[in-house]
Amino acid sequence: EAQVTQNPRYLITVTGKKLTVTCSQNMNHEYMSWYRQDPGLGLRQIYYSMNVEVTDKGDVPEGYKVSRKEKRNFPLILESPSPNQTSLYFCASSWDRGVNEQYFGPGTRLTVT
Amino acid sequence: DQQVKQNSPSLSVQEGRISILNCDYTNSMFDYFLWYKKYPAEGPTFLISISSIKDKNEDGRFTVFLNKSAKHLSLHIVPSQPGDSAVYFCAASQAAGNKLTFGGGTRVLVKP
Repeated sequence: EAQVTQNPRYLITVTGKKLTVTCSQNMNHEYMSWYRQDPGLGLRQIYYSMNVEVTDKGDVPEGYKVSRKEKRNFPLILESPSPNQTSLYFCASSWDRGVNEQYFGPGTRLTVT
Repeated sequence: DQQVKQNSPSLSVQEGRISILNCDYTNSMFDYFLWYKKYPAEGPTFLISISSIKDKNEDGRFTVFLNKSAKHLSLHIVPSQPGDSAVYFCAASQAAGNKLTFGGGTRVLVKP
């Protein structure tokens, strides 16, 4: 089954404790992206990757890091989480840079206290 | 400044009637527009799209209209069904760009 998986689905953590949210896709997509969803703001892009070892900032990259060492995986790293990073996070992938439909993971709800 | 706006945060409609969702954008460089549908506890899923060279695109019960001069697009769902109850996001992109810009979403409730 073609899918994008994210782990964990739910996470409660404390300020400053490093965490990683994993994302994996099995569709051999080149393009992958991370979004955060906040009430009234829709989905805002954090980082994206056009291919292995190629990443770039989206609209709200501050406080986040990513890596793309393999085509299928695109982890999101919060080195020192803060309460304003409490949000719902989605990973997505597609064949190209995003003009066509993107396939989204089920989301990770992160709470930083 | 939000480049894509959905000014109605919610919409309630009776089963069988038409649902009309609206979306406005400010960036004239956008040339591809999409609608995504999202159920609770799931990721968004692609619904329908339209290129700026068209003014209408249909897919079953879903039709998207684009008015480039007004920088406005709308999604029509006819007839609305209870399973259509979800949050709908409008999104826009540039062919030469590499990201989607999303609106804030409209929550649709279809009453039986």
